[in-house]
Amino acid sequence: DGGITQSPKYLFRKEGQNVTLSCEQNLNHDAMYWYRQDPGQGLRLIYYSQIVNDFQKGDIAEGYSVSREKKESFPLTVTSAQKNPTAFYLCASSQQGRYSPLHFGNGTRLTVT
Amino acid sequence: GQQLNQSPQSMFIQEGEDVSMNCTSSSIFNTWLWYKQDPGEGPVLLIALYKAGELTSNGRLTAQFGITRKDSFLNISASIPSDVGIYFCAGQGGSEKLVFGKGTKLTVNP
Repeated sequence: DGGITQSPKYLFRKEGQNVTLSCEQNLNHDAMYWYRQDPGQGLRLIYYSQIVNDFQKGDIAEGYSVSREKKESFPLTVTSAQKNPTAFYLCASSQQGRYSPLHFGNGTRLTVT
Repeated sequence: GQQLNQSPQSMFIQEGEDVSMNCTSSSIFNTWLWYKQDPGEGPVLLIALYKAGELTSNGRLTAQFGITRKDSFLNISASIPSDVGIYFCAGQGGSEKLVFGKGTKLTVNP
């Protein structure tokens, strides 16, 4: 079955450490996205990529970094510069094309203490 | 930037009741999407709307793209316990980025 796989489901880190969240898709989608979700909040866009080797900052990119070396993969690194990293992180993908719906993975809950 | 107002924030209903929630925008959108999110999971697409005035159903769910292109609503008929979750609207206008509402949390009492 095609889909988006995020791993791990739960991640715990100490403050000051960088951590990388994995996102893999086998939907053959060109575009991939990372969102952050906090309780009672909508989804806020961190980074997105429309083609391999290219990505753009979203609304809250500070303290995060991404890479897009393969079409299937779009890992997100939460760096020590991110002031409030504890959150639920969602990866999504879509077909190329302006109004294609996003398909989401099942998320990674990151807790930093 | 574009903003979406989604209401209500939360709803507590009895099983069997109908539910209605809506989103309004400060600007025109070309696409409206409705998602449902179960606790600890990613949002799942319920309905996509691409044309002003469009009314689309998916089982007990019905959504409409407002004629002004600045609003959309989602109705759920005859609610059941598994309808529990958070419902998000999302809109896409001139830029390619989706804008999400803050969600409507639905609780269904058996």
